[in-house]
Amino acid sequence: DSGVTQTPKHLITATGQRVTLRCSPRSGDLSVYWYQQSLDQGLQFLIQYYNGEERAKGNILERFSAQQFPDLHSELNLSSLELGDSALYFCASSVAGQETQYFGPGTRLLVL
Amino acid sequence: GDSVTQMEGPVTLSEEAFLTINCTYTATGYPSLFWYVQYPGEGLQLLLKATKADDKGSNKGFEATYRKETTSFHLEKGSVQVSDSAVYFCALRANSGGYQKVTFGTGTKLQVIP
Repeated sequence: DSGVTQTPKHLITATGQRVTLRCSPRSGDLSVYWYQQSLDQGLQFLIQYYNGEERAKGNILERFSAQQFPDLHSELNLSSLELGDSALYFCASSVAGQETQYFGPGTRLLVL
Repeated sequence: GDSVTQMEGPVTLSEEAFLTINCTYTATGYPSLFWYVQYPGEGLQLLLKATKADDKGSNKGFEATYRKETTSFHLEKGSVQVSDSAVYFCALRANSGGYQKVTFGTGTKLQVIP
């Protein structure tokens, strides 16, 4: 158990819909990262937050957004969902951003 | 930009066989190098890491040596077990635009058969 929790574990929705994925980092970790893992794209970095502020952006679509709240939990919002958004979404956390990342168990999103 | 290249899988081995999973990287500066493992149905877990040239990371019988001259960080294990069946990801962390960016390889699936 990494100490990083993600909810929900599974999510099934339809094209055009909007979903929110939630992540709680390890106690004491200030940085949160979001990744997308799909069969054809592999593991793709989406975005990083540090203590509530956006720190880095990767291959994140404009339809996707994230935020980190004062209690340090983070949410990833996916809107206007397409079939190709079906993937595993992982959250990871680290103390400050320059250390080892600890991954959550992921949320499996299926868009029908 | 930074990149990590791993050998394609799946790699299928018999129990107690020797394992090598190749990983090479491209990065400016002096990255830190990692191997993560993903067991079926789980998230990624750090397996081992090395932060400077010639460092050897080791854990659970796995080893990898940071080779700057060949820009490689190959993962090895002398005797694999069925429980080692998983997907292995090589990754690097390097400074990019003022922050530490992590770049993952595409992963190599290992299947160990009894």
